[in-house]
Amino acid sequence: NAGVMQNPRHLVRRRGQEARLRCSPMKGHSHVYWYRQLPEEGLKFMVYLQKENIIDESGMPKERFSAEFPKEGPSILRIQQVVRGDSAAYFCASSLGTSGAYNEQFFGPGTRLTVL
Amino acid sequence: AQTVTQSQPEMSVQEAETVTLSCTYDTSESNYYLFWYKQPPSRQMILVIRQEAYKQQNATENRFSVNFQKAAKSFSLKISDSQLGDTAMYFCAFMKHYTGTASKLTFGTGTRLQVTL
Repeated sequence: NAGVMQNPRHLVRRRGQEARLRCSPMKGHSHVYWYRQLPEEGLKFMVYLQKENIIDESGMPKERFSAEFPKEGPSILRIQQVVRGDSAAYFCASSLGTSGAYNEQFFGPGTRLTVL
Repeated sequence: AQTVTQSQPEMSVQEAETVTLSCTYDTSESNYYLFWYKQPPSRQMILVIRQEAYKQQNATENRFSVNFQKAAKSFSLKISDSQLGDTAMYFCAFMKHYTGTASKLTFGTGTRLQVTL
């Protein structure tokens, strides 16, 4: 059973370009979470999605950032018109369910975004 | 809002010794989960141990154990017989318990642990 997959692992963009980060959850998992880790800091929650629905986007910047988790295919975190401050590691996690042991979040390897 | 505080930015321990990493949290919730995650230089986040707040018994996973003090809102991680492979950043994390829906993790700022020979 493959773990959470993220691609690309490294992404370089120039200021003003768009960044698309992809996350394929573990097989059977329908809950996806995105976190951002700035250099030398802990992970900060961005958004929680369940197939086709955004459940909690309280950590998502209001502008330029969007996320989706379509019925088919991976979850996408999209950053438009990137700025240098967007440089960070972006982690995706998935869980099987919502309570008890099923709420354990399994993390992908992260995508390191560098904005030049 | 929940907060998680790790007051030790860096710690060092010799191989085979025991080390304890501190974590305190602030919440008004009565039902929640606490976690310790390890992030080695590869940056992969690895779950080390979890604790349900309603359980009085401290969780244990091989060489890793926790001291959960609910009234004090304290959740420390003890690593026994430290190994070189334990060198990593360790993050304490909090999750609210909801019925019927999942919840986000709130992380502390981390403790960098170095295991030396």
